[in-house]
Amino acid sequence: ETGVTQTPRHLVMGMTNKKSLKCEQHLGHNAMYWYKQSAKKPLELMFVYNFKEQTENNSVPSRFSPECPNSSHLFLHLHTLQPEDSALYLCASSQDRQDRGNTEAFFGQGTRLTVV
Amino acid sequence: AQSVSQHNHHVILSEAASLELGCNYSYGGTVNLFWYVQYPGQHLQLLLKYFSGDPLVKGIKGFEAEFIKSKFSFNLRKPSVQWSDTAEYFCAVNAWEAAGNKLTFGGGTRVLVKP
Repeated sequence: ETGVTQTPRHLVMGMTNKKSLKCEQHLGHNAMYWYKQSAKKPLELMFVYNFKEQTENNSVPSRFSPECPNSSHLFLHLHTLQPEDSALYLCASSQDRQDRGNTEAFFGQGTRLTVV
Repeated sequence: AQSVSQHNHHVILSEAASLELGCNYSYGGTVNLFWYVQYPGQHLQLLLKYFSGDPLVKGIKGFEAEFIKSKFSFNLRKPSVQWSDTAEYFCAVNAWEAAGNKLTFGGGTRVLVKP
């Protein structure tokens, strides 16, 4: 148990579906992240929210849409995905300190997404 | 932009052998450095981290890493591995002065320890 909970753990969706991934952190952190983990590729940072404000969008296609309603919750809305979007989507949180950056990131277990 | 490279994609060794995994990063300013481990079927978890001070950092499960600023390296070591160390290991860098709280990962190294 890391204090970061992701749901669902597994998701299969068609290319025309709309679904959402949910992440919740119970650590009192002020920054939350979405990462994509694909086979044979480095972990790719997708989005960063700091104090509920999106501070990073790493050239992610618009079919991925993040939402951060408060500092404890983060969503990733999915719409008209492609088969190559199949991957493990990881949520993380950290306490971002202005004087020393990211202390450490705590990761959830991930959502295994399959697009058919 | 910060980037991180891990030299070995796969490492296979026997129990009690020594392990060293290489990690180099590209950013020349102040960095926070991390090693994460992902055991089969489990979430990423922190092994150790470096912010400042003693460049030799000790982490959990007998792991240590040495920050060599002149070489932009943060190599991970363990003197004697166990079968339970079979996992994927990720080096990560936060060049916080330039990139805020963005954490950039290397490509990972899969380690298989044979019993």
